[in-house]
Amino acid sequence: DAGITQSPRHKVTETGTPVTLRCHQTENHRYMYWYRQDPGHGLRLIHYSYGVKDTDKGEVSDGYSVSRSKTEDFLLTLESATSSQTSVYFCAISDRSGGNEQFFGPGTRLTVL
Amino acid sequence: GESVGLHLPTLSVQEGDNSIINCAYSNSASDYFIWYKQESGKGPQFIIDIRSNMDKRQGQRVTVLLNKTVKHLSLQIAATQPGDSAVYFCADTYTGANSKLTFGKGITLSVRP
Repeated sequence: DAGITQSPRHKVTETGTPVTLRCHQTENHRYMYWYRQDPGHGLRLIHYSYGVKDTDKGEVSDGYSVSRSKTEDFLLTLESATSSQTSVYFCAISDRSGGNEQFFGPGTRLTVL
Repeated sequence: GESVGLHLPTLSVQEGDNSIINCAYSNSASDYFIWYKQESGKGPQFIIDIRSNMDKRQGQRVTVLLNKTVKHLSLQIAATQPGDSAVYFCADTYTGANSKLTFGKGITLSVRP
């Protein structure tokens, strides 16, 4: 998985609780992305980062926030988890924007009860 | 990539046969295309890419064909093996600052022994 780890790999939580997912890379890539994958929707971009402390929204960013305080870590926070955020979350990295492949982590399966 | 509905279409092939997986994209400005393979419980894995200045690119047992006129991409897998069973999806983007990948929803390849 191209030097990308995600933690936790599985999590069950209750509606209304905050949740933070972590993505860690050892590739020193500048760009990092958070996606969610749901049946019928494929991969959808939540947020991305183009450098330390530089982040931007993707197509499904409502209810999520991110932070990137150092190159290797990109955190995704669900401020108040809802059942609609039950999904598999993938982190990806890239050393260039646009026109370049992204490498994915192993994913985190999140269930919100 | 384009929407293919709630349930992923399935391509069933005999072990040893060649497989052809098709993908349509909608953005005529896209100039970079990727095929990913995703095995059950894992993150997407990069297979092969192609840029718009090419119409064919070969890798090990895989070939990608690009038809820009009809916005169509295909992945050919030679001598399909049981280990090729997975979900395959295409992604496209354009070369530009902060441009992002658009993912298709995928096709399930099932290899019969």
